[in-house]
Amino acid sequence: AQSVAQPEDQVNVAEGNPLTVKCTYSVSGNPYLFWYVQYPNRGLQFLLKYITGDNLVKGSYGFEAEFNKSQTSFHLKKPSALVSDSALYFCAVRDMVSTGFQKLVFGTGTRLLVSP
Amino acid sequence: SQTIHQWPATLVQPVGSPLSLECTVEGTSNPNLYWYRQAAGRGLQLLFYSVGIGQISSEVPQNLSASRPQDRQFILSSKKLLLSDSGFYLCAWSPTGSGNQPQHFGDGTRLSIL
Repeated sequence: AQSVAQPEDQVNVAEGNPLTVKCTYSVSGNPYLFWYVQYPNRGLQFLLKYITGDNLVKGSYGFEAEFNKSQTSFHLKKPSALVSDSALYFCAVRDMVSTGFQKLVFGTGTRLLVSP
Repeated sequence: SQTIHQWPATLVQPVGSPLSLECTVEGTSNPNLYWYRQAAGRGLQLLFYSVGIGQISSEVPQNLSASRPQDRQFILSSKKLLLSDSGFYLCAWSPTGSGNQPQHFGDGTRLSIL
């Protein structure tokens, strides 16, 4: 079965510093990977995805993620953190059920806290 | 553009009462639809998914049921709520016919059982 792991419950970073939120995956076949962000009392918002191609994927709000096949990782990054980036971040991997339909398997989430 | 609506935003219900949460999607046809529950602000548990009208798949046995009476309407129900049904319920959709598109989420319903 497909799975993702987010090894850090919380990441603390100062505003203006680079941030990294870690995700590793375990899949059979090619991985389809996603990052989402959740603000308090809101639904999940899609940030970016990796399907194929360039290992560096750029997404919304200045976020990017680096796909590393040898390390089975898909870490989320941002060069300069903002206080408003403080939120809960989820990594997810596609678990195909049938052609044209996908389920997502989510990690347990990492809380990002950016201090002023 | 596509939008997804969930209501109500918050709900407080007594144990043993019925439940109906509604989710609708606009701007797309024949979407895949999903119900998730999020406990304690963390992990998401997929409860139900649907690939078409009247087609519901359940992921875990539980006190809840789902229905899809119209193409873009997805309803989560219970006949008698339990304390353990408390949580944050999220509806999501994804385009049909493609396995590499992201799911898009509504803003959720926070359900408290007293």
